[in-house]
Amino acid sequence: ESVLTQSPATLSLSPGERATLSCRASQSVSSYLAWYQQKPGRAPRLLIYDASKRATGIPARFSGGGSGTDFTLTISSLDPEDVGVYFCQQYTRWPTFGGGTKVEIK
Amino acid sequence: QEQLVQSGGGVVQPGGSLRVSCEASGFAFSSFGMHWVRQAPGRGLEWVAFIRYDGTNKYYGDFVEGRFTMSRDNSKNTLHLQLNSLRVEDTAVYYCAKGFGGYDMRDYFDLWGQGTAVNVSS
Repeated sequence: ESVLTQSPATLSLSPGERATLSCRASQSVSSYLAWYQQKPGRAPRLLIYDASKRATGIPARFSGGGSGTDFTLTISSLDPEDVGVYFCQQYTRWPTFGGGTKVEIK
Repeated sequence: QEQLVQSGGGVVQPGGSLRVSCEASGFAFSSFGMHWVRQAPGRGLEWVAFIRYDGTNKYYGDFVEGRFTMSRDNSKNTLHLQLNSLRVEDTAVYYCAKGFGGYDMRDYFDLWGQGTAVNVSS
């Protein structure tokens, strides 16, 4: 089983700043990695799949990168509506998720 | 538009049973594998189960230990998760989710239901 570790646990930034979220896998997951956004009281929403492909309707300020064991989700210019918890997920075998990064607005 | 609408859930004593359901619309339900994912209060996400597009293969998380059964009715675009022998640690919001493929559990989830709360408490 590939364990996913996300960092930081919490990210507090001002509107317009760049947010960089990290997801590290305990063993290679190739590019089989997705990112989700979850707002309070809501279901997760797919942002990125195959490590770098944006899902339908996702704004261009969201981008994903990496392969193997190290991945990043970047929000190029933070918008107040981006507040929430972000999870990474691997799908090389049964799906597993990282513990999440909470994004806050200063 | 594509949508998953969930129902069921509720409060049950340890050892009891519940069923959660999920009705799909706006896409070819019978062509896609489906999953259940759960989230305990204040916790992260945990994959629960998968069923192949035609219902012939099912996979479960190790913690299920034969207690849960996933099923689907493609004629009614519905998905079910029967939860038996429930434990306090099964308390969570259960989400149905559409996989991008149809054949096995190696999926990401491109559409989610709104979630259904299951509370196991004495």
